[in-house]
Amino acid sequence: SQKIEQNSEALNIQEGKTATLTCNYTNYSPAYLQWYRQDPGRGPVFLLLIRENEKEKRKERLKVTFDTTLKQSLFHITASQPADSATYLCALITGGGADGLTFGKGTHLIIQP
Amino acid sequence: GAVVSQHPSWVICKSGTSVKIECRSLDFQATTMFWYRQFPKQSLMLMATSNEGSKATYEQGVEKDKFLINHASLTLSTLTVTSAHPEDSSFYICSARDFGRGPYNEQFFGPGTRLTVL
Repeated sequence: SQKIEQNSEALNIQEGKTATLTCNYTNYSPAYLQWYRQDPGRGPVFLLLIRENEKEKRKERLKVTFDTTLKQSLFHITASQPADSATYLCALITGGGADGLTFGKGTHLIIQP
Repeated sequence: GAVVSQHPSWVICKSGTSVKIECRSLDFQATTMFWYRQFPKQSLMLMATSNEGSKATYEQGVEKDKFLINHASLTLSTLTVTSAHPEDSSFYICSARDFGRGPYNEQFFGPGTRLTVL
C-alpha cells in the first residue's frame, strides 16, 4: 500500500541551529512533493514545492531536497527561531494537477530559545 | 497571494442534524476544490474533489450520501454533513488550486472548520 512517513512526531531544536525533517514514501512515483506548515487549529500554509527532476529548492532559510531513488525528501530550516515552531507536513500528488494531496502525519517542531 | 475562506470557523450541533460548511476562493477562480478532514494528532485525509458544475469525486471509504458536496460556482464549494453523529466531529479543511497559474502548483487552504457533534 502507499505510505508517507515523517521521521518523528516531535523534534526539539535549539534556537539558531538547523532543523532537519525527513519525509519518506513508499509505492509512489510522485511528480512533485510539497511541504506545508500547520499551526494549531489552522489550515496548512504552503512553503515549498519540488519537482521530480529537481534535486534541491531553496527559499530564504528553507531548503528542500528530493531524492527519487531513496524515495525521500529532507526539509531544512537554518538559523531556526522560536517562531518556526509548528507542525510541518509533507505532501505528495501522484496524478495530474487536478488531484488532491496525500499528507504525511507531520512533524511537530519545537524551537527552544 | 491567493486566499481561501471557510465559514463557519466552528460549529456545535446535536446528533442527527445537518451542517453546511462553505469554502470560498476570494481572489481567484477555482474550477477544482478539495475537502479534507483531520482528526486530532492525525494527518489531513482527502475526502473528496469538488468540481465546478459536475459531481464530486469521493475517496474510498467516504460516504457520498453523508457528505454532500456542491460546487455551484468558480469561487464557492459547500460541504454538508448530513445526519451528523459524534464520530463526525473533526476539523474540516478545504483547499483550492489556482489553475490560472498552471496545474502543478501549491494548494491554498482555508482556515478550517471545527465541527463538534453532541
